[in-house]
Amino acid sequence: GENVEQHPSTLSVQEGDSAVIKCTYSDSASNYFPWYKQELGKRPQLIIDIRSNVGEKKDQRIAVTLNKTAKHFSLHITETQPEDSAVYFCAASIWYGGSQGNLIFGKGTKLSVKP
Amino acid sequence: NAGVTQTPKFQVLKTGQSMTLQCAQDMNHNSMYWYRQDPGMGLRLIYYSASEGTTDKGEVPNGYNVSRLNKREFSLRLESAAPSQTSVYFCASGRAYNEQFFGPGTRLTVL
Repeated sequence: GENVEQHPSTLSVQEGDSAVIKCTYSDSASNYFPWYKQELGKRPQLIIDIRSNVGEKKDQRIAVTLNKTAKHFSLHITETQPEDSAVYFCAASIWYGGSQGNLIFGKGTKLSVKP
Repeated sequence: NAGVTQTPKFQVLKTGQSMTLQCAQDMNHNSMYWYRQDPGMGLRLIYYSASEGTTDKGEVPNGYNVSRLNKREFSLRLESAAPSQTSVYFCASGRAYNEQFFGPGTRLTVL
């Protein structure tokens, strides 16, 4: 079945620096890759997503890249701010069987942005 | 629109007690999900319902049961709570291959 690996588990950067979080997936048929941000004590919320027919997507300071051949995708945050501090989860969709369309989540990356 | 709502927000149980977590969504989504979140383990799917009237097991279903009451409501029941079920529980709704919207979560402690 689908498996999603996420690295690093923790990431500390200085305010203004860039942060990169990487995920790999196992099922080459996966076609939808969302990223969620979870602030302390809050619910996960979608920040950006990408589909398999697109290689890169940007939304202001956030970008996601997808390499289907290598089966990995990455979240890039530029000009980090203290409010970017949170846990970030990547996910990949399941393509097969009765659970089509469900998401498999990575274990999360705790990002700390130091002022 | 309220989005996805869950009750209760907090609960403390003794081992062996039972309880039901309630979830409702007002976005007319067909699919609903129950996840548990434990430190360092990410979000793990307990059960899901792809449409009204259907439910299926996810990654970690043991010790839980679910009911899809109607299109809006999806409940999770712990029949005999165990300390290993101490966790934060999230309900979500969405469409296949699209964004899932999460509820605020229920923090459950089993003593």
